[in-house]
Amino acid sequence: DTAVSQTPKYLVTQMGNDKSIKCEQNLGHDTMYWYKQDSKKFLKIMFSYNNKELIINETVPNRFSPKSPDKAHLNLHINSLELGDSAVYFCASSPQGTSGPTNEQFFGPGTRLTVL
Amino acid sequence: AQKVTQAQTEISVVEKEDVTLDCVYETRDTTYYLFWYKQPPSGELVFLIRRNSFDEQNEISGRYSWNFQKSTSSFNFTITASQVVDSAVYFCALSQETSGSRLTFGEGTQLTVNP
Repeated sequence: DTAVSQTPKYLVTQMGNDKSIKCEQNLGHDTMYWYKQDSKKFLKIMFSYNNKELIINETVPNRFSPKSPDKAHLNLHINSLELGDSAVYFCASSPQGTSGPTNEQFFGPGTRLTVL
Repeated sequence: AQKVTQAQTEISVVEKEDVTLDCVYETRDTTYYLFWYKQPPSGELVFLIRRNSFDEQNEISGRYSWNFQKSTSSFNFTITASQVVDSAVYFCALSQETSGSRLTFGEGTQLTVNP
């Protein structure tokens, strides 16, 4: 009965490869997010989708492409991985309020990506 | 623009001491939300509290308490009688109405409670 799940939990790969991280939520939420936590623990939003539509796109390289096949899933695909992409990636979701997504965010367990 | 500052990078205390984690925020919105999250060594983000900008009442939950002061733009977090299990990184975060529902996090404070 996991609320927000991510796979894989750990991902180790070589520079230049393409990889995907999957996120699923079973909370019935309309909005999902990707956050990146760097080696200094700093957390920063990357993307947000509401009902499969992109609503937040921070300054993220084009090599990062989110995909939302339905409102319960938000996957993150990364092309041509670089050393600097090594980080922990957190998926989150939030329920819909009367005028848009509310501010409660439920986080997944994180995916630790290591690029060698 | 929105910003959260946690000036204390690391705090080390001995078990049973009280400890306060500082959080100062900047926002131009009148409607905003403040949060605290805990990240234990296992890595997950644990939600602790959410307050909206219209509710300045302090809150207490067991050994945890929060002091929200709009006059100083601060939302400080106090742990009373700290325990080793409180050792974690604590994040303060802000969400403002005009920026959708994104969270802007502070840099985090690493709390170490020694036995």
